[in-house]
Amino acid sequence: EVQLVESGGGLVQPGGSLRLSCAASGFTFSSYWMHWVRQAPGMGLVGVSRINSDGSSTSYADSVKGRFTISRDNAKNTLYLQMNSLRAEDTAVYYCVREDIEVEPASIDQYYYYYYMDVWGKGTTVTVSS
Amino acid sequence: DIQMTQSPSSLSASIGDRVTITCRASQSISRYLNWYQQKPGKAPKLLIYAASSLQSGVPSRFSGSGSGTDFTLTINILQPEDFATYYCQQSYTTPRTFGQGTKVEI
Repeated sequence: EVQLVESGGGLVQPGGSLRLSCAASGFTFSSYWMHWVRQAPGMGLVGVSRINSDGSSTSYADSVKGRFTISRDNAKNTLYLQMNSLRAEDTAVYYCVREDIEVEPASIDQYYYYYYMDVWGKGTTVTVSS
Repeated sequence: DIQMTQSPSSLSASIGDRVTITCRASQSISRYLNWYQQKPGKAPKLLIYAASSLQSGVPSRFSGSGSGTDFTLTINILQPEDFATYYCQQSYTTPRTFGQGTKVEI
């Protein structure tokens, strides 16, 4: 069964740090881009960070840039999110998400690459409060 | 970042209704548009990718259309299990951005 299981959430004081982990199983982890997506209480979905399949390329939302670091260990099938200098506005459920791709021919030698988030973990809750 | 705007933010519907949700991108994103369903306390679930492709296992009453900046999610013959919040998301570029959500209520 394809599965993502997050851990590491909890209550932390403003300015503190947490490290989230996401254990992947049931698929070839090293073949997929991975994301962290968060959802503040009663709010919508926000993409936090993304990492490519071998970990050589990462990107971040402006709101977390310089404070959060995404990484992965393909040998351990695990995705991480190191969160430093946490703020109250970082309070949210954090989801670990797999991104798959469908390739569609556009013309000779050209293709469309359609990305979509097809597997989600159940989420881990981070609460930043004094 | 590409901004995604959904309308309406919420709607009331009845079992058997046809429901339409729209999503507009702040710039052209071709067909790089996905739709997700989220129920309270649960993770989102992929419904539609590449604007109109139905994800495996998703009922055929769900359909998507559009390209460029304007997209639509349609639910034909609304079922009890369809009452949820729906999000569009662009995958044209990073960061991936989501619409604010449309809550479908009874």
